[in-house]
Amino acid sequence: ELKVEQNPLFLSMQEGKNYTIYCNYSTTSDRLYWYRQDPGKSLESLFVLLSNGAVKQEGRLMASLDTKARLSTLHITAAVHDLSATYFCAVDRPGGGADGLTFGKGTHLIIQP
Amino acid sequence: GAGVSQSPRYKVTKRGQDVTLRCDPISSHATLYWYQQALGQGPEFLTYFNYEAQPDKSGLPSDRFSAERPEGSISTLTIQRTEQRDSAMYRCASSSGLAGETQYFGPGTRLLVL
Repeated sequence: ELKVEQNPLFLSMQEGKNYTIYCNYSTTSDRLYWYRQDPGKSLESLFVLLSNGAVKQEGRLMASLDTKARLSTLHITAAVHDLSATYFCAVDRPGGGADGLTFGKGTHLIIQP
Repeated sequence: GAGVSQSPRYKVTKRGQDVTLRCDPISSHATLYWYQQALGQGPEFLTYFNYEAQPDKSGLPSDRFSAERPEGSISTLTIQRTEQRDSAMYRCASSSGLAGETQYFGPGTRLLVL
């Protein structure tokens, strides 16, 4: 059974600090997805990582993928309050194609002034 | 359309009643997914469609759950004889269907079974 584990599940940090969210998964996959969810809202795609060593950056967020370690990281640089949200990582379900995603439980991030 | 839409946004029903949820995907998207999201959890896969074909419904919790996409566009998810444990957010997503393409999620339908 494919498992996707995120850590930490809850994170409270101060503005201006740096932090990293980790996503481990239990099966071989060359693709990993990061989503953001604001309270009461839908999921918004942040990054799609398509190969080993892939790195993508958008503003203060940077995501990377190590398929050999089955690990992705989402790094937050100089956090600001607007980044407070729940962040989910997901991998393709076994099957190889666009068959749906298996999500982690999410990391609930609170950034305090 | 411009994005994925779902209706109703909220549904309250009594245990034992049937409910039908609707999803209208992005018009150019071949693939449509249904997920169930419990409070404080990530979405869990229910089923998906490539156009009107339904290759995988292994995530449907029981035979009370069924989904259709008869013309390859709008989809419905029906839950028969609802139970309290069916209470959750039901989210629809769509994508182009190519591997590695992002899925775009709708706003969801919040279902409460009393």
